[in-house]
Amino acid sequence: DGGITQSPKYLFRKEGQNVTLSCEQNLNHDAMYWYRQDPGQGLRLIYYSQIVNDFQKGDIAEGYSVSREKKESFPLTVTSAQKNPTAFYLCASSTNSYEQYFGPGTRLTVT
Amino acid sequence: EDQVTQSPEALRLQEGESSSLNCSYTVSGLRGLFWYRQDPGKGPEFLFTLYSAGEEKEKERLKATLTKKESFLHITAPKPEDSATYLCAVQSLTGGGNKLTFGTGTQLKVEL
Repeated sequence: DGGITQSPKYLFRKEGQNVTLSCEQNLNHDAMYWYRQDPGQGLRLIYYSQIVNDFQKGDIAEGYSVSREKKESFPLTVTSAQKNPTAFYLCASSTNSYEQYFGPGTRLTVT
Repeated sequence: EDQVTQSPEALRLQEGESSSLNCSYTVSGLRGLFWYRQDPGKGPEFLFTLYSAGEEKEKERLKATLTKKESFLHITAPKPEDSATYLCAVQSLTGGGNKLTFGTGTQLKVEL
């Protein structure tokens, strides 16, 4: 089955720790994206990558980092510099036909 | 700056009671408008893409339409399984990287 997987589904961390969220796709899509979803707000773009070894900042990149070493993988690191890291994180991918397909999400809680 | 406003924020319908959800947008050149369905605790599921005013797309009980300023998602004879949050997003011709700007969604509940 083709699709996007994100792991883990739930993640708990202490304040001050970095944490890495996994995103893998087997759709052969070139572009991948990370969004953050908070209650009462629309999805907001953190980072995106249109090709391996290249990525761009989205609207809220501060406190986050990414890498794109393989076409299939686009991990997101939430660093201790992110002031409000608790949120639902969504990974997506797309071809050049524009519609983005989303993974199941990771809910991160930082206390 | 691209903006998307969805209304109403929440909608409660009886089974079989048809209605419409609204998505108003401002964008510097529309490349596409997208509708997604999101169930609680899950990722959004792609429904439709609309590219130009006058375009319509249908899927089961859902029909999406597009004008130059807004899009409607019409739900005909809804069932309880249609209960979800429906998200609208736009993509600008001038935006980099296929960026989507999302609205905050309409939370639909269909009751028996």
